[in-house]
Amino acid sequence: DAKTTQPPSMDCAEGRAANLPCNHSTISGNEYVYWYRQIHSQGPQYIIHGLKNNETNEMASLIITEDRKSSTLILPHATLRDTAVYYCIVRVEANQAGTALIFGKGTTLSVSS
Amino acid sequence: SQTIHQWPATLVQPVGSPLSLECTVEGTSNPNLYWYRQAAGRGLQLLFYSVGIGQISSEVPQNLSASRPQDRQFILSSKKLLLSDSGFYLCAWSVTGLLYGYTFGSGTRLTVV
Repeated sequence: DAKTTQPPSMDCAEGRAANLPCNHSTISGNEYVYWYRQIHSQGPQYIIHGLKNNETNEMASLIITEDRKSSTLILPHATLRDTAVYYCIVRVEANQAGTALIFGKGTTLSVSS
Repeated sequence: SQTIHQWPATLVQPVGSPLSLECTVEGTSNPNLYWYRQAAGRGLQLLFYSVGIGQISSEVPQNLSASRPQDRQFILSSKKLLLSDSGFYLCAWSVTGLLYGYTFGSGTRLTVV
């Protein structure tokens, strides 16, 4: 599986966009980029995922560079409740045994008023 | 709708005592089930996953075991707890292994004293 690199921490002002980067320079053609977040003392929550096209849902947008070696998760209007650890995970989307989410250290996003 | 139940929420156990944590999923059939652990100040570690009744894969050799006696029941056990078993234990399920849309339980915070 491709390795991901994320900054350990980031700060964001409430109401501003939070842009969380992730480097995955060794990503292979069939690997997806997944984003999850974990609010303190809770289980991780799925945010978004993509292969090569940019994706948007009600929670966030995912921008993947054309060479797929990096991506950015964008929270358009961060709130205090977005304070969490954000995990970028690169894995094959496999509907079979032997595949599971493996979490790295992630980025701790702190949103302040 | 699908729900995942995990209990107890908190647990304090002496060293050497047994452990049994239970996780059940409702509203779906044949889910993939997972146990993760998060030690204090550390990331999420995948412990076990199961793709069906009686089918358990262990990711990390340790003092713990898992069982799946029913389709929607996943149990994490230990015969003798160690201090290093302390942590936040999370159960999760996914639809036949798809990596987006993992749903996590609310977790059990285990303190071994």
